[in-house]
Amino acid sequence: GQNIDQPTEMTATEGAIVQINCTYQTSGFNGLFWYQQHAGEAPTFLSYNVLDGLEEKGRFSSFLSRSKGYSYLLLKELQMKDSASYLCAVTLGSSNTGKLIFGQGTTLQVKP
Amino acid sequence: NAGVMQNPRHLVRRRGQEARLRCSPMKGHSHVYWYRQLPEEGLKFMVYLQKENIIDESGMPKERFSAEFPKEGPSILRIQQVVRGDSAAYFCASSPPRTSGGGELFFGEGSRLTVL
Repeated sequence: GQNIDQPTEMTATEGAIVQINCTYQTSGFNGLFWYQQHAGEAPTFLSYNVLDGLEEKGRFSSFLSRSKGYSYLLLKELQMKDSASYLCAVTLGSSNTGKLIFGQGTTLQVKP
Repeated sequence: NAGVMQNPRHLVRRRGQEARLRCSPMKGHSHVYWYRQLPEEGLKFMVYLQKENIIDESGMPKERFSAEFPKEGPSILRIQQVVRGDSAAYFCASSPPRTSGGGELFFGEGSRLTVL
């Protein structure tokens, strides 16, 4: 089966840095997405990693190690509005499909 | 510049009734996906459609659930004879024509079904 693991909850302080980890064991792998989802709202795209290494985009960075089946999302200079769920998702194989396998999400609470 | 539009946002049904959820993809997007999010769980893929074609329905329950994306009009996710376990948020996502396995999905805000 397909297995994607993330911590269920995390808490961090405004202005700090937080790292949200994601490990995956899947049959096939094409790439890994991170989405942000505020309560009651649509998931919104944050990043997509295909190759090993770090992708930086403003305050958010995402890292991938294909050999270790591991990714993390790094959030810097945390703001209160970053309180949300962060979803790790994997695409399998090489077919041109948007079928994503999601982890259960990590709920991040940013405190003053 | 509308995004993915879903309606209704909230739907209440009694056991045994039918639920119809609608999704209009972003302009220029021809691929539609339905995902279900049960309470305290992650998003689960249900079905992938293109106009008039079901491409992948491997995540759809075998009974009571169906989906379509007609030539004209929105995509419809239909749940017949609903049961309490169908209570969930149903998200639609769309994407432009794809040539690789990458590329982001654009999600709607979801339809929240409550079965009494």
